Parts: sequence; C-alpha cells; structure tokens
Amino acid sequence: AQSVTQPDIHITVSEGASLELRCNYSYGATPYLFWYVQSPGQGLQLLLKYFSGDTLVQGIKGFEAEFKRSQSSFNLRKPSVHWSDAAEYFCAVGRGTSYDKVIFGPGTSLSVIP
Amino acid sequence: EPEVTQTPSHQVTQMGQEVILRCVPISNHLYFYWYRQILGQKVEFLVSFYNNEISEKSEIFDDQFSVERPDGSNFTLKIRSTKLEDSAMYFCASIYNIEAFFGQGTRLTVV
Repeated sequence: AQSVTQPDIHITVSEGASLELRCNYSYGATPYLFWYVQSPGQGLQLLLKYFSGDTLVQGIKGFEAEFKRSQSSFNLRKPSVHWSDAAEYFCAVGRGTSYDKVIFGPGTSLSVIP
Repeated sequence: EPEVTQTPSHQVTQMGQEVILRCVPISNHLYFYWYRQILGQKVEFLVSFYNNEISEKSEIFDDQFSVERPDGSNFTLKIRSTKLEDSAMYFCASIYNIEAFFGQGTRLTVV
C-alpha cells in the first residue's frame, strides 16, 4: 500500500527566506504526487501535481516541487516566503489511475515570522 | 470555476444522533470521495464512490457510515449514531483527470 511521510511537523521561517518542505513516499510503481495547502479553517487547495515528464513541476503561488525517484521524494520549495504562506501543507500520493484516491501525509505546519 | 460545495459548514449534534453531510460535486465528475480530518491530524480517506456504489472504503468507514447519491446531484455521508470521536472536519472530493477537487468541508462537532 502506498504511504507518505513528512518528516517535519512544524517549520518556522522568516518572511523572504527560502522554504523547502520534505515529502517521502512509498509506492511500488510510479506514483501520482500532489501538494495541497490548507489555511486555518479552510479546505484543501491543490498547489501542484506530478504525473510524468519533467521532474520539476511548477505550481500556484510561486511554489515548485521536484520528483526524485531515487530518493522517493517530492519536496516542495519556494524561493521567497510571504506571510500569507503560513498554513498547513500536505503531500499526497495516488496509485496511478485517473480515479484513484489519494493518500495524505501527516502535514507540515508552516509559520512565517515577519 | 466549478467547485465542490458542502453543506452545512458546521454542524453540532448530540452523541447518538444521526447526521447527514451533503456535498454537490462538480457536475461532470464521476468519482466521489469522503475524507475526514480530526482536529490537528492528517486527512484520512473514508470512502470512494463510483457508478452509484462504493468502490473502496477504509477501516474507519464502519457500519455506522453510509453514502449515497440520491438524486444524481447530491452526494451524502450519513453517520447513523454519532460518537464523540466522530468530531472532525469532513471533506468531500470529486476527481477528474487525476486531480481531486475538494470542498471547503463540514466541521462536525459531537457533544
């Protein structure tokens, strides 16, 4: 069964600093990978997704993620964090069919210091 | 932009009562899901639904839970006899072309 780990429960960065959120997955085949963001009391918004092709994917709000098969990782990055980026970030993996459920990681809570 | 709509946004119910959470998926989507997020915890898969039947369910989705699509539009999650531990945010999602579109969630509080 597929699974997702996010080693960092909570990260604090200063506004304007760079950000990297880690995600590792476990799945036998090529997974579908996603990053979602959840602001307090809100739903889940898709930041970006990876299915195939270029391993560096661009998302909304200036985020990008890189798929590294050798490390089973899909880390999320942003070169310069804004205070509005403070939220919960979830990495998720799908089993590689167009309709399958996604399994979420435990999430990383991001705080931004002004 | 089409979106998944969930009602109510917040529901408070007494332990032992039945609750129905409602979702209106995006109209041309065919695969529907319910997820649960207990406060401060991860988002957990409950059940997937396709062609008017459950296609997969997790161990959380026991006999107290049921889903249906009564009118071809709404997609509902029913909890037959709520327990305190059912207090959580419940998210509905529909999937099209791999991407899952989530509703804003219903916060269920069981007292």
